[in-house]
Amino acid sequence: DTGVSQNPRHKITKRGQNVTFRCDPISEHNRLYWYRQTLGQGPEFLTYFQNEAQLEKSRLLSDRFSAERPKGSFSTLEIQRTEQGDSAMYLCASSFTRGVSETQYFGPGTRLLVL
Amino acid sequence: AQSVTQLDSQVPVFEEAPVELRCNYSSSVSVYLFWYVQYPNQGLQLLLKYLSGSTLVKGINGFEAEFNKSQTSFHLRKPSVHISDTAEYFCAVRGLNFGNEKLTFGTGTRLTIIP
Repeated sequence: DTGVSQNPRHKITKRGQNVTFRCDPISEHNRLYWYRQTLGQGPEFLTYFQNEAQLEKSRLLSDRFSAERPKGSFSTLEIQRTEQGDSAMYLCASSFTRGVSETQYFGPGTRLLVL
Repeated sequence: AQSVTQLDSQVPVFEEAPVELRCNYSSSVSVYLFWYVQYPNQGLQLLLKYLSGSTLVKGINGFEAEFNKSQTSFHLRKPSVHISDTAEYFCAVRGLNFGNEKLTFGTGTRLTIIP
């Protein structure tokens, strides 16, 4: 069990550029979550997948954000036309569902800075 | 919908002294409760969780928490802190039902251990 991994760990981009982050969940975890954490705040839910199906999206996830989980394994989060307000830590978590009782395990995060 | 309040944004404590980090929640449904710890520039690590059963829950690194349904609280305690406990601590809740799996976090409490 190697844990949840995220790449890259840090990303600096200019306003208006597109960025893509990758998350590799714990092997055989069927659920994958994305959260965003801004400075001094707790993580806020963005979206989650069960296998390859995207089951819920937060209102925080504007049209510039898109997430995918092809084949129910790794996931990507893309932000188009980045804005300075997108600067944050993007956290990925995975879990294995046993009924409704589950624990989410978090990756180290990708820190995005938009200049 | 759920919400979490962590009233103390910063808590300084002398080494080997006891500590309590407070967490109160609001929810129209029954919830599961979690405490996560975040070390600098890292993701979140699960400290402990309350799903059901005994209201006193023991976690890693000597931490414990008590669920109080009447006061809607889930305070985190440690009888004797160590320098290595310096970190940010987040309380989180989620609903019990399918479709209510996302975590709602508080704003965090920064625990600083004074040598």
